[in-house]
Amino acid sequence: DTAVSQTPKYLVTQMGNDKSIKCEQNLGHDTMYWYKQDSKKFLKIMFSYNNKELIINETVPNRFSPKSPDKAHLNLHINSLELGDSAVYFCASSGSNYGYTFGSGTRLTVV
Amino acid sequence: DQQVKQNSPSLSVQEGRISILNCDYTNSMFDYFLWYKKYPAEGPTFLISISSIKDKNEDGRFTVFLNKSAKHLSLHIVPSQPGDSAVYFCAASGGGGGADGLTFGKGTHLIIQP
Repeated sequence: DTAVSQTPKYLVTQMGNDKSIKCEQNLGHDTMYWYKQDSKKFLKIMFSYNNKELIINETVPNRFSPKSPDKAHLNLHINSLELGDSAVYFCASSGSNYGYTFGSGTRLTVV
Repeated sequence: DQQVKQNSPSLSVQEGRISILNCDYTNSMFDYFLWYKKYPAEGPTFLISISSIKDKNEDGRFTVFLNKSAKHLSLHIVPSQPGDSAVYFCAASGGGGGADGLTFGKGTHLIIQP
């Protein structure tokens, strides 16, 4: 059983399209995150949700919108995709004691 | 502004020897530090962590040292094994509990030579 699962693993799409990446965790964690790893390999936090409430929203374009239907899910919707959005996106969750667990990543390629 | 820095993009070590990976940070509010290991096409996996109230934490072959005055931490792997070849990320978290998220360094690619 995968603790943090995200789908799809690979996503190739054209500029201007709208796409979603799904994330689910079965760890019972209260907090979920989206991180972006860009071409320079930096892993940067985008959003943090705690019990379905947005806690962190770093300076990402408002084309990116997280949606948390329940504590176990945090999906990422991206509108009007641009070339610069190409990156690997990681979902993660954490409980107490900073026990972060990451998903295996979604490689998004915008062409 | 990089708050967590890993200045060595790569490190090559002979199998059986000690691997030492370094990390520096600038934000004095960070109070918890973690090391993650990442293989290609996989997510980062937790390796070891240390609270700012400690200066050393050991788990099997892995030891993390924290020097708060120097804002420096290091990960020691001994003895190094071929399966240790991966990218290692240093990460830090500050004061607000888990929901703060982590600030990552850029990673060090460790290569263990047979």
